[in-house]
Amino acid sequence: GQQVMQIPQYQHVQEGEDFTTYCNSSTTLSNIQWYKQRPGGHPVFLIQLVKSGEVKKQKRLTFQFGEAKKNSSLHITATQTTDVGTYFCAGRNNNDMRFGAGTRLTVKP
Amino acid sequence: DAGVIQSPRHEVTEMGQEVTLRCKPISGHDYLFWYRQTMMRGLELLIYFNNNVPIDDSGMPEDRFSAKMPNASFSTLKIQPSEPRDSAVYFCASRRTVNTEAFFGQGTRLTVV
Repeated sequence: GQQVMQIPQYQHVQEGEDFTTYCNSSTTLSNIQWYKQRPGGHPVFLIQLVKSGEVKKQKRLTFQFGEAKKNSSLHITATQTTDVGTYFCAGRNNNDMRFGAGTRLTVKP
Repeated sequence: DAGVIQSPRHEVTEMGQEVTLRCKPISGHDYLFWYRQTMMRGLELLIYFNNNVPIDDSGMPEDRFSAKMPNASFSTLKIQPSEPRDSAVYFCASRRTVNTEAFFGQGTRLTVV
């Protein structure tokens, strides 16, 4: 079945440094979504990518969808302490939605 | 809309007891998902429903787990009998269509002692 792999598992950065998390699927995805989960909270939707090679930006966050629609990345420029949390990608193949393991980001002030 | 509502928020039970988790999806959402989150295994899809019909339950770990959706506004996840390894946060999520974002409930933190 579909598997979504996400790396790295953990990332600790100094405030102001950049951060990137990568997501790879074993199958071609119809779309990919990104979620953020704050400590003790629940996943909250950030964005959805649908088109091959698509790039979307939300302030300091840049999301990319690979040309083959099998991989995606989330890049945060100049991290802030408010960026702390776990970032998940979720890939849709059929009608289900399977999450990567997530990347836990911690930011040192 | 109040969002996806899960109850209880916390549940502590003894091994062997039956546990029932409840979820009220957002009105008008056709899809409902149950996830289990642990440190070791991350966010696992257990089962999902489309228009109240279970579509894929391949993620349900064992026969001890069962899920129902008797109507569009209510779903349950039952564990009987519960075991300590079932301890986790269980999330319910709903989405309007297959291409829209998922909204998660606050989760139920289950502890089986």
